[in-house]
Amino acid sequence: EPEVTQTPSHQVTQMGQEVILRCVPISNHLYFYWYRQILGQKVEFLVSFYNNEISEKSEIFDDQFSVERPDGSNFTLKIRSTKLEDSAMYFCASSAQGADNEQFFGPGTRLTVL
Amino acid sequence: GESVGLHLPTLSVQEGDNSIINCAYSNSASDYFIWYKQESGKGPQFIIDIRSNMDKRQGQRVTVLLNKTVKHLSLQIAATQPGDSAVYFCAENTGGFKTIFGAGTRLFVKA
Repeated sequence: EPEVTQTPSHQVTQMGQEVILRCVPISNHLYFYWYRQILGQKVEFLVSFYNNEISEKSEIFDDQFSVERPDGSNFTLKIRSTKLEDSAMYFCASSAQGADNEQFFGPGTRLTVL
Repeated sequence: GESVGLHLPTLSVQEGDNSIINCAYSNSASDYFIWYKQESGKGPQFIIDIRSNMDKRQGQRVTVLLNKTVKHLSLQIAATQPGDSAVYFCAENTGGFKTIFGAGTRLFVKA
């Protein structure tokens, strides 16, 4: 069964460093999303992406964040200068149709900022 | 503003009993609702969804009920099994590209 994959599973970085989290969505999906989940808290929407541009973003997704689909298979989230409060699980998701349809989530990347 | 919340943070049930997990939402413009299951160390897993033109939808052992009058959503799990132990999130969508998750309820199934 097709699934969303994410790498790395765990990323440790120093405050102020740039990180890139990678995702491979399900191959025939057209809509892509990033969410984050601080330990023990709810899942928070960051951004949605369709047709090579951001469709919607939350207030969390500030100038330090960017997304890219560099080729036909990868979808990346970049944090330019990490802060301690960026420590969280980051989940990528994809859907064949819009956000008002089933989204498939990856296993997540745990980001630890020291 | 937009918010989705849950009445109970934890729920403990006996194996074989039915479970009911509740959720309140505040955005009357939301028209698509989803229940997700999250097991420890994994990403959210879609369970069932419902659109605002329905008030009930059934899946395999799960039923979602939507009461738009009081902005309430519930997930019923029949014959709860140990494998159902997880955190359950409700989520809502207003037809755009943003999905708002609730706080989550942890379900414990006692054998």
